Amino acid sequence: AQKITQTQPGMFVQEKEAVTLDCTYDTSDPSYGLFWYKQPSSGEMIFLIYQGSYDQQNATEGRYSLNFQKARKSANLVISASQLGDSAMYFCAPVANAGGTSYGKLTFGQGTILTVHP
Amino acid sequence: GAVVSQHPSRVICKSGTSVKIECRSLDFQATTMFWYRQFPKQSLMLMATSNEGSKATYEQGVEKDKFLINHASLTLSTLTVTSAHPEDSSFYICSALSRDRGLSNYGYTFGSGTRLTVV
Repeated sequence: AQKITQTQPGMFVQEKEAVTLDCTYDTSDPSYGLFWYKQPSSGEMIFLIYQGSYDQQNATEGRYSLNFQKARKSANLVISASQLGDSAMYFCAPVANAGGTSYGKLTFGQGTILTVHP
Repeated sequence: GAVVSQHPSRVICKSGTSVKIECRSLDFQATTMFWYRQFPKQSLMLMATSNEGSKATYEQGVEKDKFLINHASLTLSTLTVTSAHPEDSSFYICSALSRDRGLSNYGYTFGSGTRLTVV
């Protein structure tokens, strides 16, 4: 079973500044992965970044990076140099993982609505 | 990258009628399809999981006779909302898990979603 907590219902950031979106999880899977998705008002789910629980380094994808603290079971998303187009809802989701391959359902956190101000 | 085509994107139907939503994986085979429901400003709630050629597994509290899921092939899964009522109005979105996990997005590809309004 997996439990995901995103404690920030809404976040505001000034354009060009960095912002951190929190995510804590609780999973019984010995090996797992963590996804972050962006959902703009159109509804599509946009994959941002993935972290494997056994990855030695924190994942980075362009302006997105993960602050992964396994012992604390947290996987916070850091968005650097925010842009107006970053305004959206953001979800984290853990997934079971075996041999580096994810499988099974994605269970989503409550989400955080990010608003970027000009 | 991998694409899942979901149709229709928007549908308005009368109360009591049925609506079918299709998710089709393009250029890849989806061994598993997940169907989610989402109310405004809320999280995605998993409704059911379907594997090609077998019956769907529904989450607790989801009426299997109301939300019929068919996963007849590795490229097509459908969700039919039967005898729709206004409370079924929601955003429905599918996610396909590829047999080839080397595909982009670590194997999980979402459709673009369907906004269902029951009047």
